Amino acid sequence: GAGVSQSPSNKVTEKGKDVELRCDPISGHTALYWYRQSLGQGLEFLIYFQGNSAPDKSGLPSDRFSAERTGGSVSTLTIQRTQQEDSAVYLCASSFGHSGTDTQYFGPGTRLTVL
Amino acid sequence: QKEVEQDPGPLSVPEGAIVSLNCTYSNSAFQYFMWYRQYSRKGPELLMYTYSSGNKEDGRFTAQVDKSSKYISLFIRDSQPSDSATYLCAMKSSGSARQLTFGSGTQLTVLP
Repeated sequence: GAGVSQSPSNKVTEKGKDVELRCDPISGHTALYWYRQSLGQGLEFLIYFQGNSAPDKSGLPSDRFSAERTGGSVSTLTIQRTQQEDSAVYLCASSFGHSGTDTQYFGPGTRLTVL
Repeated sequence: QKEVEQDPGPLSVPEGAIVSLNCTYSNSAFQYFMWYRQYSRKGPELLMYTYSSGNKEDGRFTAQVDKSSKYISLFIRDSQPSDSATYLCAMKSSGSARQLTFGSGTQLTVLP
């Protein structure tokens, strides 16, 4: 079956512009996560959605970052007024549920470059 | 100090060697332990998942967890060039937090 998909695969933008990154989770998965991977760094948690519950936004680095999940499926991560330090690979993951043993499946990521 | 520490390498070994990858952690709430493999410009893929101290084996891979020492390892036997990738350890607590906490990853190259 289809895995997690993300678009675009690459995004180059100018400092100060807004960007939108999209994630299509695996069908039937109720939990969706966004992570950021900077050069030479591990994955950093950003935000988590579970069903219709309020999202866990505890990992968002600033108020320039926001995300939404429409209809419990597709999610969009928005970065406003991008800065050079926002350059990273943004990874989306989904899991069937949110119990401790649920496996998170990752998409290929969106590579964001802010000039 | 990071919650999860992982030697970034790079690590280079000859084909057929046994590879040992390690992570230490400081948060005793971590109860679930994973190893992900990430090829260049790809998303991480789950290799091993364990939630108890001891060893878990899957083919050429063995995951080892020592909760008393807060130390986890991944062993790769008979390493192959196709094993060349970045290996990330990840952990999850038993509490309400659902996100994974990752190590920085170890870059492995297996030379033919």
